[in-house]
Amino acid sequence: ETGVTQSPTHLIKTRGQQVTLRCSSQSGHNTVSWYQQALGQGPQFIFQYYREEENGRGNFPPRFSGLQFPNYSSELNVNALELDDSALYLCASSLGTPRSYEQYFGPGTRLTVT
Amino acid sequence: GDSVTQMEGPVTLSEEAFLTINCTYTATGYPSLFWYVQYPGEGLQLLLKATKADDKGSNKGFEATYRKETTSFHLEKGSVQVSDSAVYFCALSAPDFGNEKLTFGTGTRLTIIP
Repeated sequence: ETGVTQSPTHLIKTRGQQVTLRCSSQSGHNTVSWYQQALGQGPQFIFQYYREEENGRGNFPPRFSGLQFPNYSSELNVNALELDDSALYLCASSLGTPRSYEQYFGPGTRLTVT
Repeated sequence: GDSVTQMEGPVTLSEEAFLTINCTYTATGYPSLFWYVQYPGEGLQLLLKATKADDKGSNKGFEATYRKETTSFHLEKGSVQVSDSAVYFCALSAPDFGNEKLTFGTGTRLTIIP
């Protein structure tokens, strides 16, 4: 059974640029959630995708957007990067229905905005 | 809104000491409760969970009991090892959102010294 994978591992971008982060969900999982973890903080929910549709969004501006593909992999896109976007971005997959209660996290992508 | 408050760190203990990390929550309804662990340079791993009041979650010698009356989910271990050094996050998942958004505490860094 393959776990959740994310790419790239690390990324350095300049303020104002755009970035795309990728996530492959665990085999059999149809739900992907994205979280932002600033240094020394707990993860903050960005949004969730269930069967290619957005299924809930946290308190993040519209320049944070996402996609889920038919194979349930997912992308997180961030436009007009700001310095405060520097963080570890975590992807988690789960079986969305019936509620599985368990989310399996990938290792994360460390984004640095300079 | 939902929130999780956990014990400030860092916590430093000697090997074989007893561990308690406090966690309290605020939520509407009856959330599911979780403890996640993050080892250096890695993503989050689910340590244990409880989905209803008075449930006890346990794994790898760690335990936590869902106490609705005190809105708490304290993590305990009777005898810690050096390998338990990590950051521990308490989290909840509210039942009525239609998604499995996790709300995390700020994390408690645990260091075990030989």
